[in-house]
Amino acid sequence: NAGVTQTPKFQVLKTGQSMTLQCAQDMNHNSMYWYRQDPGMGLRLIYYSASEGTTDKGEVPNGYNVSRLNKREFSLRLESAAPSQTSVYFCASKPGAEETQYFGPGTRLLVL
Amino acid sequence: RKEVEQDPGPFNVPEGATVAFNCTYSNSASQSFFWYRQDCRKEPKLLMSVYSSGNEDGRFTAQLNRASQYISLLIRDSKLSDSATYLCVVNRNAGNMLTFGGGTRLMVKP
Repeated sequence: NAGVTQTPKFQVLKTGQSMTLQCAQDMNHNSMYWYRQDPGMGLRLIYYSASEGTTDKGEVPNGYNVSRLNKREFSLRLESAAPSQTSVYFCASKPGAEETQYFGPGTRLLVL
Repeated sequence: RKEVEQDPGPFNVPEGATVAFNCTYSNSASQSFFWYRQDCRKEPKLLMSVYSSGNEDGRFTAQLNRASQYISLLIRDSKLSDSATYLCVVNRNAGNMLTFGGGTRLMVKP
């Protein structure tokens, strides 16, 4: 049982490049989330998916798109990376009834 | 004003000390409250939920004051391994979205 996994662990992009951050969970959780964490800002919700087939915007969705590919996988795409998207990105999941979220190890992204 | 506010610290305390953190939240409709712990360059992990009557888990005690809209975390007999950032987390509607405070950094020294 690996929990929540994220790939890649680190990535360096140039401004304007695109990339997809991958997230998968093997706990059969219904809901999945993408956050970014910046110094002094705490964790901010980008997008979430309450269940397979649905996605909703969070607090800071601009510049991002998501896909809930199936119950296990929830990907985050940056179509045209900007230096303001330099951050640590965390994926999380939670079971249907509980409120506790379980986080992946994070992806550190640097946009030059 | 941020929805969930914490003193960023750092709180520097000696081993064995008792330390307390507070967190304030702005939305009176908030329903659920948590403390998460985050180690340097790691993901956040649930430390404990916060119940209306207050709750204790070993050396950790959490309290909720709905009237004043704050949550506290008390750590007794601090250990070196308690050094981390503690995140105050609020769920303002029953369901899917958590709001995180910026975290309070604790450093426990020998």
